[in-house]
Amino acid sequence: KQEVTQIPAALSVPEGENLVLNCSFTDSAIYNLQWFRQDPGKGLTSLLLIQSSQREQTSGRLNASLDKSSGRSTLYIAASQPGDSATYLCAVKGVTSGSRLTFGEGTQLTVNP
Amino acid sequence: NAGVTQTPKFQVLKTGQSMTLQCAQDMNHEYMSWYRQDPGMGLRLIHYSVGAGITDQGEVPNGYNVSRSTTEDFPLRLLSAAPSQTSVYFCASSYSTPSLADTYEQYFGPGTRLTVT
Repeated sequence: KQEVTQIPAALSVPEGENLVLNCSFTDSAIYNLQWFRQDPGKGLTSLLLIQSSQREQTSGRLNASLDKSSGRSTLYIAASQPGDSATYLCAVKGVTSGSRLTFGEGTQLTVNP
Repeated sequence: NAGVTQTPKFQVLKTGQSMTLQCAQDMNHEYMSWYRQDPGMGLRLIHYSVGAGITDQGEVPNGYNVSRSTTEDFPLRLLSAAPSQTSVYFCASSYSTPSLADTYEQYFGPGTRLTVT
């Protein structure tokens, strides 16, 4: 059974700092990995989708990498801003899990002005 | 496009009551699904559908029913609400192909916060 772990569970940084969020998964047989952002009381907003054949994806100040063989992904946020404060979730679509996304519990990020 | 919409945003039910959570998307996505989000458990798949007339169970289907009569709508029915169903419910959709190796980004609705007393 696929399990997804995100470390740390919470992170507080000063504005302007570069930071890395980590995601690990136990079964490397995946189709893709997706990073989401969730604001309090809101739904999930997709940030980046990395297919299993890709090593990284970039969008603005965000860069996500994927090392499928080691079961790891990182989300790099450059020059963090208070508006980046949210919970960040990673989810994998496994080859053996049908249509299901398996989610981590998320990293709660606070960027202090 | 409105994307994925969900109604209601909030709902309080008494134990034993039934209700339907509505989900609609206007992106012509074949694949739709329902997740619940609970503290310490993450998001878990309840039911999903790969097209009109086709539904299947996810990880936690007990106590919930779904149907898919149109491409746009995918309602979730609680047959007899229980306190254990207190949760935030999210509907999601994406393109899909017969081969799931062609995978696409999933889009989520804003959620329905349900409390069962």
